[in-house]
Amino acid sequence: QVQLRQWGAGLLKPSGTLSLTCSVYGGSFSGYHWCWIRQPPGKRLEWIGETTHTGNTKDNPSLKSRLTISIDTSKNQFSLRLSSLTAADTAVYYCARRPYSKPFDSWGQGTLVTVSS
Amino acid sequence: DIQMTQSPSSLSASVGDRVTITCRASQGIKTDLGWYQQKPGKAPTCLIYAASSLQSGVPSRFSGSGSGTEFTLTISSLQPEDFATYYCLQHYDYPPWTFGQGTKVEIK
Repeated sequence: QVQLRQWGAGLLKPSGTLSLTCSVYGGSFSGYHWCWIRQPPGKRLEWIGETTHTGNTKDNPSLKSRLTISIDTSKNQFSLRLSSLTAADTAVYYCARRPYSKPFDSWGQGTLVTVSS
Repeated sequence: DIQMTQSPSSLSASVGDRVTITCRASQGIKTDLGWYQQKPGKAPTCLIYAASSLQSGVPSRFSGSGSGTEFTLTISSLQPEDFATYYCLQHYDYPPWTFGQGTKVEIK
């Protein structure tokens, strides 16, 4: 049974950079997409982007210029960096696993990130 | 982007009721649709994928149907643990994958 555990800073200042990491336990790293999803307070879920185990990434066009998703297969971890933060980036951020041709089937516990001066 | 619209946005129902939630896509997505359940303070869990395939471990009272642009999630007999918010997700075309706005199922 795969488990995803994520961590990172929860309170950030405007113009700062968000950095989150997700560790994968108990499952294969290959054969899946490794994803980031966020949920602003009271709003719908928003897909941020994803990477394969080979580092092939796809980003949400609305965030692409500020976004970096990377992977470290030696540690079974993948990471998210989002720069030039504003209050609109305040959300619960989730890491998740997506099998090829299927939707997200395993999720991390979520991290509340608040952008405030 | 493919826009996903759910209806209703919220509903009140009693234990034992049959509940149906609808999701419409702004363009055809074949059967590439998933349904998720989210409880307060928790990550979403996948109930249905490919419009009608039940995710492993999900009770059989949950079912999905539809293709193209219109889809439904049905709970055949609502249980106390089913009070939650439900989201649809299109996994047909990306970037980006897109979710519906959610349907909150509350106790009547």
